[in-house]
Amino acid sequence: GQQVMQIPQYQHVQEGEDFTTYCNSSTTLSNIQWYKQRPGGHPVFLIQLVKSGEVKKQKRLTFQFGEAKKNSSLHITATQTTDVGTYFCARDGSGNTGKLIFGQGTTLQVKP
Amino acid sequence: NAGVTQTPKFQVLKTGQSMTLQCAQDMNHEYMSWYRQDPGMGLRLIHYSVGAGITDQGEVPNGYNVSRSTTEDFPLRLLSAAPSQTSVYFCASSTGFHEQYFGPGTRLTVT
Repeated sequence: GQQVMQIPQYQHVQEGEDFTTYCNSSTTLSNIQWYKQRPGGHPVFLIQLVKSGEVKKQKRLTFQFGEAKKNSSLHITATQTTDVGTYFCARDGSGNTGKLIFGQGTTLQVKP
Repeated sequence: NAGVTQTPKFQVLKTGQSMTLQCAQDMNHEYMSWYRQDPGMGLRLIHYSVGAGITDQGEVPNGYNVSRSTTEDFPLRLLSAAPSQTSVYFCASSTGFHEQYFGPGTRLTVT
């Protein structure tokens, strides 16, 4: 179907370690968005990827869109306690209607 | 700008009661959506709207009604609350498939 699968569901890391979450689709994606939700908070937009093979960086965060546009990843270098939260990818549900289909999310815990 | 606002923040209902969750945005966004968030399930789309007077069903629409009479407001109605509707509800707005702005959420418990 239209679902996007995210792995892993949970990740515990020591502060300073790297972290990666993956988002996979069985169908080609037109584009993909990433959101972060802090505990008790609401999702906040991080980035949108559109082009095949696209790589974008935001400080310690690196986002990639696969060549086939069926997968995406978010990599955090040298995690900090402020990175704690759940990271979601989301695909366009149908033709630029603002309808988003979210992955299940990856919850990151960082031990100081 | 207040962005996206939701009321109430918390609500407890008894099974069978009805209520309306309010959502408003002041960014003149044409697209608005309602999601529910349950542990381990991510965010699931309930209903969405592409403009005033136009709504459509998402992934989990049963038990919920929406209407969009103005650009700013997009209320979500629970017709007859059930324990399975215990969840956190988020409203969001956007301009097409661009950044979605989420409200702070409504935490609903149905007993």
